[in-house]
Amino acid sequence: EAQVTQNPRYLITVTGKKLTVTCSQNMNHEYMSWYRQDPGLGLRQIYYSMNVEVTDKGDVPEGYKVSRKEKRNFPLILESPSPNQTSLYFCASSSQGAVYEQYFGPGTRLTVT
Amino acid sequence: QKEVEQNSGPLSVPEGAIASLNCTYSDRVSQSFFWYRQYSGKSPELIMSIYSNGDKEDGRFTAQLNKASQYVSLLIRDSQPSDSATYLCAVRNTGGFKTIFGAGTRLFVKA
Repeated sequence: EAQVTQNPRYLITVTGKKLTVTCSQNMNHEYMSWYRQDPGLGLRQIYYSMNVEVTDKGDVPEGYKVSRKEKRNFPLILESPSPNQTSLYFCASSSQGAVYEQYFGPGTRLTVT
Repeated sequence: QKEVEQNSGPLSVPEGAIASLNCTYSDRVSQSFFWYRQYSGKSPELIMSIYSNGDKEDGRFTAQLNKASQYVSLLIRDSQPSDSATYLCAVRNTGGFKTIFGAGTRLFVKA
């Protein structure tokens, strides 16, 4: 089954404790992206990757890091989480063809206290 | 001005009616336009994409694009209660990899 998976699905942590949210896709997609979704603000792009070892900032990259060492994986790293990073996070992937239709993972709900 | 604007709603329509969802965007070079549906507590799922001016139909859904007016819309014919969700408009530039989403319009279809 073609899918994008994220782990963990729910996470409660404390300020400053480093964490990683994993994202994996089995569709051999070149393009992967991370979004956060907050009430009233919609989906905002954090980082994206066009292919292995190629990443770039989205609209809200501050406080986040990413890496793309393998085509299927695109982890999101919060080195020192803060309460304003409490949000719902989505990973997405798409093929680098004529269309850029993204497939989303199930989401990770993060709470930073 | 937000880059992609949608009326937050809620938009309420009776079952069987046509629901009309609208979206405007600010960047004239935008080339790719998408409509996603998001049920409460779920991830967005793509329902329509459109790249050229005019209408594109897929089942009960019709996407309409007017690049001169920087306007894209989604029509849902014969609306069903199962269509009740938030609809997200997304825009991407040619050759670009950034996607800008609107905040979404909540749709309620009353049985």
